[in-house]
This record gives sequence, C-alpha cells and structure tokens, in this order.
Amino acid sequence: EPEVTQTPSHQVTQMGQEVILRCVPISNHLYFYWYRQILGQKVEFLVSFYNNEISEKSEIFDDQFSVERPDGSNFTLKIRSTKLEDSAMYFCASSRVMLEQYFGPGTRLTVT
Amino acid sequence: GENVEQHPSTLSVQEGDSAVIKCTYSDSASNYFPWYKQELGKRPQLIIDIRSNVGEKKDQRIAVTLNKTAKHFSLHITETQPEDSAVYFCAATDTGNQFYFGTGTSLTVIP
Repeated sequence: EPEVTQTPSHQVTQMGQEVILRCVPISNHLYFYWYRQILGQKVEFLVSFYNNEISEKSEIFDDQFSVERPDGSNFTLKIRSTKLEDSAMYFCASSRVMLEQYFGPGTRLTVT
Repeated sequence: GENVEQHPSTLSVQEGDSAVIKCTYSDSASNYFPWYKQELGKRPQLIIDIRSNVGEKKDQRIAVTLNKTAKHFSLHITETQPEDSAVYFCAATDTGNQFYFGTGTSLTVIP
C-alpha cells in the first residue's frame, strides 16, 4: 500500500538557520498539507496546497515559512530562520479527494 | 475559526470493555469529521471518518456517531484490546483546506 514518505526523520539545526523538510506524497494525490506537533500536544495545521498554490494557511504559517512543489513528486516546507519554538514534529499529509488525509512518518526538528 | 474540544484527555479501560471519546465543534459549516490513532512516536493514522449527511458509521469494533444539532461527535471502540492503546485525535473541517484537531485522548487498555 503506498505511503507518504518524509525526509529526514530527524533534523537538528541551530537557531537562525534555514531548514527544508521534504515530503513525497502518495502519487495520485492532489491535496497536500503540512502540520506540526509539539511534543505531547495536539496536531496543528500549518498549510494546505493544491494546484501549485496555497489553499489555506494558519496563523502559525508566517513569513518564515514557505512551501513548494518543485517537481511532480516532492512537496517541501522551508523555514527560513529557525527559532527555538519551531522545535516540533512536522507531518506532511496528502489526500486524493480533499478529505481523507494520509500522514507521513514525520520529521522531528530540533532547534538548538 | 473552528474550535474542537475533546474529552477525556486520558482514559483507562479493562480489556474487553468499551471506550468512548467525545468531541465538540463550534462551526456549523464543518461537515467532515475524521478520527486518527497515533501510537507512540508514529504517524497519525485515519481509522474512521464521518460526513455530516450521516449520523453513524461503523467499521468492525469502531463506530462514530455525529449529532449535528448539538455539534458533537463520538468515537466508540467495543471489545477493546491492548493494541488499541494509543492517542486518539478527532478533527473537523468544512472545505478540506484546513483541519482543526482536538487535543487528543490517551487510551490505555489494561490486559
């Protein structure tokens, strides 16, 4: 059964550095999402993406964040200048029909 | 925006008993309500969902009920097993562009 994949599984970075988190959605899916989950807390929506543009973004998704689908398979989340509070698990999700989301395994981002 | 509340935050049941987790939502425009199971250190997995044109949906030992008037929906797990132990999240959306998650319920099934 196809699954969403994410790389890296764990990223450690220094405050102020840029990071790019990568996701490969399920191949016939059209809707893509990024979420974050701070340890022990709920899943928080960041952004949704369809047809090469952002559909919706939360207040968390400020100017430090950007998303891109650079080719037909990858979907990336970039954080330009990381802060300590960006430390979290970042999940990518995709869906074929805009509702039934399937999550990737996550990237644990640690900002030191 | 939408606000989803989830109760209880922790739940312990004996193996074989039933477990019920409840969520309420605030936006009457929400029309799709998925439930996710997240085992420790793993990805959230969709286990069941319900659309607003349906009052109840069942899949083996798992069922979800929806009361649109009261704006609440519940997850029911019958004949619980130790492998049901996990954190369960409810969510709600209207358009599918933005999902709002509950705070999670940590379910422990005691053998």
